[in-house]
Amino acid sequence: KAGVTQTPRYLIKTRGQQVTLSCSPISGHRSVSWYQQTPGQGLQFLFEYFSETQRNKGNFPGRFSGRQFSNSRSEMNVSTLELGDSALYLCASSPYSVSYEQYFGPGTRLTVT
Amino acid sequence: QQQVKQSPQSLIVQKGGISIINCAYENTAFDYFPWYQQFPGKGPALLIAIRPDVSEKKEGRFTISFNKSAKQFSLHIMDSQPGDSATYFCAASDGGSQGNLIFGKGTKLSVKP
Repeated sequence: KAGVTQTPRYLIKTRGQQVTLSCSPISGHRSVSWYQQTPGQGLQFLFEYFSETQRNKGNFPGRFSGRQFSNSRSEMNVSTLELGDSALYLCASSPYSVSYEQYFGPGTRLTVT
Repeated sequence: QQQVKQSPQSLIVQKGGISIINCAYENTAFDYFPWYQQFPGKGPALLIAIRPDVSEKKEGRFTISFNKSAKQFSLHIMDSQPGDSATYFCAASDGGSQGNLIFGKGTKLSVKP
């Protein structure tokens, strides 16, 4: 089976712009979670989707949003980018309805200048 | 509030030695404890995981030891190899209400030849 894929892999944006990141889960996986990874804060949970519904949301401002499509693919959007949004954004998929085994993609490296 | 505390931050081990990384958690509702391995430029890869109903789980050179009463768990890497050099993250989840993984801050392991 192909693993979790994320596009694009690298992205450079300017403060104030918005960005959309895409994630395709492992075939058959219906749960998709997003995490932000930074050197200072480590891995932090953003949100989780299951069957097109957001089930959980982490402690991030409303500028961070996401959605999941009927084929389980997911997108996350960050509006009004700030310098502090520079990070590796990781998507993980799980075959279960509860978020135990999660398999991560390679991430999208976002740099905000 | 950091719910999963990981130590040490960095670890240097000689080839063939044993690498030990420790984690402590606070939330007694956690019932799933995975370890992830991350190489530079890659997403975290699920290495091994344990549930609190067992005290030890072994997969190849990797062993998780779990102490429910102390709320601690650890990863042991036997016969450490230079190829094991990576950052290791412990995590915990209750599967249900939080629906996401809570990660430790990570341990950077260097195995010297």
